[in-house]
Amino acid sequence: NAGVTQTPKFRILKIGQSMTLQCAQDMNHNYMYWYRQDPGMGLKLIYYSVGAGITDKGEVPNGYNVSRSTTEDFPLRLELAAPSQTSVYFCASRVDGASLEQYFGPGTRLTVT
Amino acid sequence: AQKITQTQPGMFVQEKEAVTLDCTYDTSDPSYGLFWYKQPSSGEMIFLIYQGSYDQQNATEGRYSLNFQKARKSANLVISASQLGDSAMYFCAMREDDDYKLSFGAGTTVTVRA
Repeated sequence: NAGVTQTPKFRILKIGQSMTLQCAQDMNHNYMYWYRQDPGMGLKLIYYSVGAGITDKGEVPNGYNVSRSTTEDFPLRLELAAPSQTSVYFCASRVDGASLEQYFGPGTRLTVT
Repeated sequence: AQKITQTQPGMFVQEKEAVTLDCTYDTSDPSYGLFWYKQPSSGEMIFLIYQGSYDQQNATEGRYSLNFQKARKSANLVISASQLGDSAMYFCAMREDDDYKLSFGAGTTVTVRA
C-alpha cells in the first residue's frame, strides 16, 4: 500500500491564484481529513469527509473547498489564494473505529506571495 | 475554548534519560480518546500511542507510555531511555464521542542531547 499520498510537495502561488491540492489513499478508508499547520503550531482541521459524497467543514474552512467523489480521493481547492494561506497542508485518513489513528500524508508546503 | 493544552513549548533531555510531556484536555463527554503523534524535522506525522477514556490501564507502546489521570484530565506522554532520534515535535490530540475529528494541541519540541 502507498498509504496517503499528496501532491505537490511544494508550491508557490501568487496572491489571487487558485490551485488544487491532491490527496489519495489506497487503504479503503471512509474518513478523510484536511489540516493546515502554521509554523510552530498544531494542526487545525479545514474540512473532513466521512465517505464518498459527504463533506463537512472543520475549524478553519474559509477560503477552501473540497469534494469527495470517490473513496480514494479528497482534493482541496484554494480559490483566490491569500498570504494567510501560507502553511503546510496535511491530508489524513482512517478506517471506521474510534480508537484507530489517522494516517497522515507527507504534507504540501504552500507559500502565497 | 482550547480542548488540548500543551504548556511546554520546548524541552531538552539527555540521551538515555526519560522525559515527560504534559497534555491536559477539556471535554464533558464521558467517552473520548487521546492520541500522541510525533513530527520529526522531516515533517511527517507519526502515530505513537492511544488511550481511551474507559481504558483501565495506562497505554504503553515500546518506550512510550501514557500517564492517564482522568480526574485531572491529563494524558502525559513518557518517553523512556531517550534516543537522538526522539528529537522532534510531539502533539497531543483528542477525539470526543460521536465526533470524527481530532483536536490537536500546539505541540512540544523535544531535543535530545548526546
